[in-house]
Parts: sequence; structure tokens; C-alpha cells
Amino acid sequence: KNQVEQSPQSLIILEGKNCTLQCNYTVSPFSNLRWYKQDTGRGPVSLTIMTFSENTKSNGRYTATLDADTKQSSLHITASQLSDSASYICVVSSGGSTLGRLYFGRGTQLTVWP
Amino acid sequence: ETGVTQTPRHLVMGMTNKKSLKCEQHLGHNAMYWYKQSAKKPLELMFVYSLEERVENNSVPSRFSPECPNSSHLFLHLHTLQPEDSALYLCASSQDRVAGVTGELFFGEGSRLTVL
Repeated sequence: KNQVEQSPQSLIILEGKNCTLQCNYTVSPFSNLRWYKQDTGRGPVSLTIMTFSENTKSNGRYTATLDADTKQSSLHITASQLSDSASYICVVSSGGSTLGRLYFGRGTQLTVWP
Repeated sequence: ETGVTQTPRHLVMGMTNKKSLKCEQHLGHNAMYWYKQSAKKPLELMFVYSLEERVENNSVPSRFSPECPNSSHLFLHLHTLQPEDSALYLCASSQDRVAGVTGELFFGEGSRLTVL
């Protein structure tokens, strides 16, 4: 069964600290993996998208890693800011045609305290 | 600003009401989507339109009726909804149906629906 599991479900950190969010998936075939940031009451916004051949990708203070062999990804946030408080959603895409599908994780709710 | 605009942002309706959600994309995309996001659940794909033709309907109850009059606009007509239909409804677009899988998906801000 194609699934995307994220951990932890929620996380609280102090401003300025680093944190790492995890995503494990069983989706096959694999096309790409995306991380989205969703502020409360807003739509998801793309942070990174990685294909099979990419191991790491950065977007400012956000760095995503992908291990396609173990089917794991992580999102590392450096020097957290209050504006990083949001839900982070891992999405795995299967296939590369109109038959492909997106599989969404439940998200990790990150709260950054001052 | 993602280029996908949804209205209204908030909607409260009774179970006997009829209302509509509107989505407009300014990106020149050919595929548009409706997603449902309930608390603590993954996003659920409801409908997919490609070049104004409905290409996917994921067993959505008939009380939800989509309409795509052109490639820039997408509506979700609502009637006789149930309280469990309360959720955030997200519209998204992509360059085309394949790009929605292989590339970027752009989401609107969502319409928060409460059914009393």
C-alpha cells in the first residue's frame, strides 16, 4: 500500500534552534518527493522538489535530503524563526504520466517559541 | 501570492443551503484540482480538470458538483452538505496534468467551510 508517514506529529522548538523533520514512504514507483510549508489557514507552498537522483536540496534555511534506497527524506531547518511556525507536508509522487498520483503525509506541526 | 485565488476565504452554511466556491488561476495552466483538507488527515484529491475536461473524480458524493467553464476558472458547487463536510477546500493548478505529477503544484489560500 502506498503511504507517506511523517514524524514527529508535532514539534516545539525555541527560536534560533535547528530541527529535523522526517518522512518515510512506501510509494512505488517513485517520481519525486516534495516538501510543502502550510501556514495556519493558508494554502501549502512548495519548499523543495527532489527526483530520484537528488540526495539533497536547499532553499535558504531549509535543506531537504532524500535516500531513495531506504525511502526516507528529512527536512532540516536551520536557525529557526518565529515565521517557521507552520505545518510541513511531505508529498511523494508516483509515476511520470497522467496515471501518476500524489501521496500526502499528515504533516508535522512545528511551533517556534521566542 | 501563488497566482491561484480562492473565494470566499470563509463560508458558513446550513445543511439545506446552496453555495459555491470559486477558484481562479493567473498562471496560464491547463490543469486544475480540488482538494479537501480535514483536521489531522492528509489532503484528499476530489476532482481533476485538464483542459476544462473532468479527468478524475475520486468517489466524491454528488452533493459536491464541480464546474470548469474555462482553463482559468474552477467552481465547486455545494448543496445539502453534512457537518462532516466542514474542512479547508484547496484549489490547485499545474502546467498540465503530467506536470501535476512530475513538477510543481500551485495551491490557493483555501476556503474554510463550516457546515452547521
